[in-house]
Amino acid sequence: GNSVTQMEGPVTLSEEAFLTINCTYTATGYPSLFWYVQYPGEGLQLLLKATKADDKGSNKGFEATYRKETTSFHLEKGSVQVSDSAVYFCALSNTGKLIFGQGTTLQVKP
Amino acid sequence: DTGVSQNPRHKITKRGQNVTFRCDPISEHNRLYWYRQTLGQGPEFLTYFQNEAQLEKSRLLSDRFSAERPKGSFSTLEIQRTEQGDSAMYLCASSVSKVGWSYEQYFGPGTRLTVT
Repeated sequence: GNSVTQMEGPVTLSEEAFLTINCTYTATGYPSLFWYVQYPGEGLQLLLKATKADDKGSNKGFEATYRKETTSFHLEKGSVQVSDSAVYFCALSNTGKLIFGQGTTLQVKP
Repeated sequence: DTGVSQNPRHKITKRGQNVTFRCDPISEHNRLYWYRQTLGQGPEFLTYFQNEAQLEKSRLLSDRFSAERPKGSFSTLEIQRTEQGDSAMYLCASSVSKVGWSYEQYFGPGTRLTVT
């Protein structure tokens, strides 16, 4: 069945450091891929998405590229801020329901 | 656009009691989803509606769980005879299903259930 695997956290970085959170998936067909973010005390927010191979999703300085050959959708940001501290979830869908990874906690220190 | 709303935000109940949660989706969204999230895990799909029709239920959803979406607007999720293992955050999401839709969903703040 479909599944998503994320790198385990927590990830602790200093402000302005480069961020990568790895995400790989298993799916039939050609799923859409997503990154959602959950800030402390808030609900899940859609961060970015990509719908086909080689698509790059981007938002708020974050980027992720849909790599079908490696079944990956790694999240990157060139310079993180303290305000980026949150839990990040990779997810996929090809039928409507979302399949999530277990989440990766990012803590950015000033 | 007011977003997805859920009520109550928190619910504490004793084992064996019944509880009901409500979700109001973004207006004009025809799909509504329920997920459950436990601490340190990603959300797990429970069930979804397209308009008023319940189209899929997860095998995770025991017979004690029932969901409705009368008239295709708000939805309720009821848990009967609650157990301590039901303690979790219950998330609702909505989306619009149409040609070219890429399956993105928009989530509410969740209802945190604690069963004592």
